Amino acid sequence: RKEVEQDPGPFNVPEGATVAFNCTYSNSASQSFFWYRQDCRKEPKLLMSVYSSGNEDGRFTAQLNRASQYISLLIRDSKLSDSATYLCVVTPPSGTYKYIFGTGTRLKVLA
Amino acid sequence: DAGVTQSPTHLIKTRGQQVTLRCSPKSGHDTVSWYQQALGQGPQFIFQYYEEEERQRGNFPDRFSGHQFPNYSSELNVNALLLGDSALYLCASSLDGTAKAYEQYFGPGTRLTVT
Repeated sequence: RKEVEQDPGPFNVPEGATVAFNCTYSNSASQSFFWYRQDCRKEPKLLMSVYSSGNEDGRFTAQLNRASQYISLLIRDSKLSDSATYLCVVTPPSGTYKYIFGTGTRLKVLA
Repeated sequence: DAGVTQSPTHLIKTRGQQVTLRCSPKSGHDTVSWYQQALGQGPQFIFQYYEEEERQRGNFPDRFSGHQFPNYSSELNVNALLLGDSALYLCASSLDGTAKAYEQYFGPGTRLTVT
């Protein structure tokens, strides 16, 4: 089983739609969780940290479910500019520093 | 506020050659991590440097080595290049010892092609 798994997509949605991605992780002791956005042939950019209490930033909402070992990202009112690959990131237990990335979920928002 | 910078942006090398990639961290950051991203995959952790030492290493062979300088900038060296080393190499920086020590900021990457 992969350490971090994501549905690669693509998710094709119309403008204005709501779309949600999930990401599962295998190590129950994982410490920190993030969503990054990566545009084609560009670097990953931090979108959101994911906290146990969940967090929201404008149209984006991230949630963590430790019991089921998954994190989610919800995008409301999708814009054309939201088209990108969304990478789920997990850090191992405390004392280690590497990021473990999923393979990414590709989103295409259609006009 | 200067972000993470990397050089060169693109590089073409031949099998068996050696390559050095460079990274300057975001202003105020002291920790540098390197990642390899193959096409269609998520980035894979190579190693992390802190206080001029390799603090942690991923599953990469010894052909991959690095260095961190007193000004926190870093180099990634790859010896005896293989075709499979063709990838986007990403550098990320962070600030150790803070509440956000796990937030990493990425540079634009160096795209390495091995022929």
